[in-house]
Amino acid sequence: DVVMTQTPPSLSVAIGQSVSISCKSSQSLVYSDGKTYLHWLLQSPGRSPKRLIYQVSNLGSGVPDRFSGTGSQKDFTLKISRVEAEDLGVYYCAQTTHFPYTFGAGTKLELK
Amino acid sequence: QVQLKESGPGLVQPSQTLSLTCTVSGFSLTSNSVHWVRQPPGKGLEWVGAIWSGGSTDYNSALKSRLSISRDTSKSQVFLKMNSLQTEDTAIYFCTRLGYWGQGVMVTVSS
Repeated sequence: DVVMTQTPPSLSVAIGQSVSISCKSSQSLVYSDGKTYLHWLLQSPGRSPKRLIYQVSNLGSGVPDRFSGTGSQKDFTLKISRVEAEDLGVYYCAQTTHFPYTFGAGTKLELK
Repeated sequence: QVQLKESGPGLVQPSQTLSLTCTVSGFSLTSNSVHWVRQPPGKGLEWVGAIWSGGSTDYNSALKSRLSISRDTSKSQVFLKMNSLQTEDTAIYFCTRLGYWGQGVMVTVSS
């Protein structure tokens, strides 16, 4: 199985601060069609996960452009510019290139 | 709009079979895949399996021997059946199109 390693496991931030979360995969996530199926999800407290970014850098519907995703092959980053209170929760990276699909362990974003 | 809603028993006895239903609206099962993902209390996400638009399925190899996913397109429903349940199967079970998620259903395995 593809292992997704997220760092850091937790982040304490002030509103308005910018943060980055890293996700590294044990195998390249480039599929045979040339696309990279690496996604970012946010699970707010008590809620279902919500997809923020799909295929490395594409913003999901209704997701503010404070969120951005970069990376390639095995190394990916989620950046949140100007953190707002609604951004708090657990962030997961997920790969849907290889079976079984796998998720990172999560990064908990908390208020400082 | 796209919606998915899980339903099923909240409590299952060890060694018994879990049956969950995902009722969808706003899209067709014959054009979209539906996945099951679970989350043990206080832990991360685990992909369980999927049924594709053509009706074929893929399962997490760790669960494959106990798992079956099927659907009824006329009712816009997807079904998950998992047998020989153990306490470690206690989790919130979500059905999802990956871009859209249901609210989840909590399943507790306990006698």
